[in-house]
Amino acid sequence: DVKVTQSSRYLVKRTGEKVFLECVQDMDHENMFWYRQDPGLGLRLIYFSYDVKMKEKGDIPEGYSVSREKKERFSLILESASTNQTSMYLCASRGNRGRNTGELFFGEGSRLTVL
Amino acid sequence: AQSVTQLDSQVPVFEEAPVELRCNYSSSVSVYLFWYVQYPNQGLQLLLKYLSGSTLVKGINGFEAEFNKSQTSFHLRKPSVHISDTAEYFCAVTSTGGFKTIFGAGTRLFVKA
Repeated sequence: DVKVTQSSRYLVKRTGEKVFLECVQDMDHENMFWYRQDPGLGLRLIYFSYDVKMKEKGDIPEGYSVSREKKERFSLILESASTNQTSMYLCASRGNRGRNTGELFFGEGSRLTVL
Repeated sequence: AQSVTQLDSQVPVFEEAPVELRCNYSSSVSVYLFWYVQYPNQGLQLLLKYLSGSTLVKGINGFEAEFNKSQTSFHLRKPSVHISDTAEYFCAVTSTGGFKTIFGAGTRLFVKA
């Protein structure tokens, strides 16, 4: 059974703290993504990675950075958390092999509250 | 660039009634189309997808969707809903060969007894 695992389901942090959100996939997928989900806005892409050590900005990268040192792991970093980063964060992965159908596989989400 | 518009933010419906969730998209290139479902406190899971071929696509849990190229729509339908279908539904597009998937704002389906 395919699996994308996010390290923390719920986090509460204070303004200015550094926050790490980790995501691990066991499907040997090349592509990994971080989305942010807010009510009425759907999912917005923060960053994605198509290979180890490669990263590309999505639509809302400001205030975030990412790290992909190993193929199976993709980390989202908030260098200095702010209250407007309170949100649900979703990690997803997608393979490249054979026909790329574009289907994303999601983790269960990390709900971050910044006080 | 692509965009996705889900025309209804909330859809209340009685159990065993039919339902249609509407989705329009815009794109200057060929796309793949998807519907995902999100149950409370969970991530998204794929409901169905259109890649090519038959414009009527069947998915899990009795859902189906029809791709209409001329109207750039991909509406989701179910002939008879259950309480367990209460969830948020997202329409999404990915350009063929592209990396990014663009999501609509979501439609909350409430099924009432």
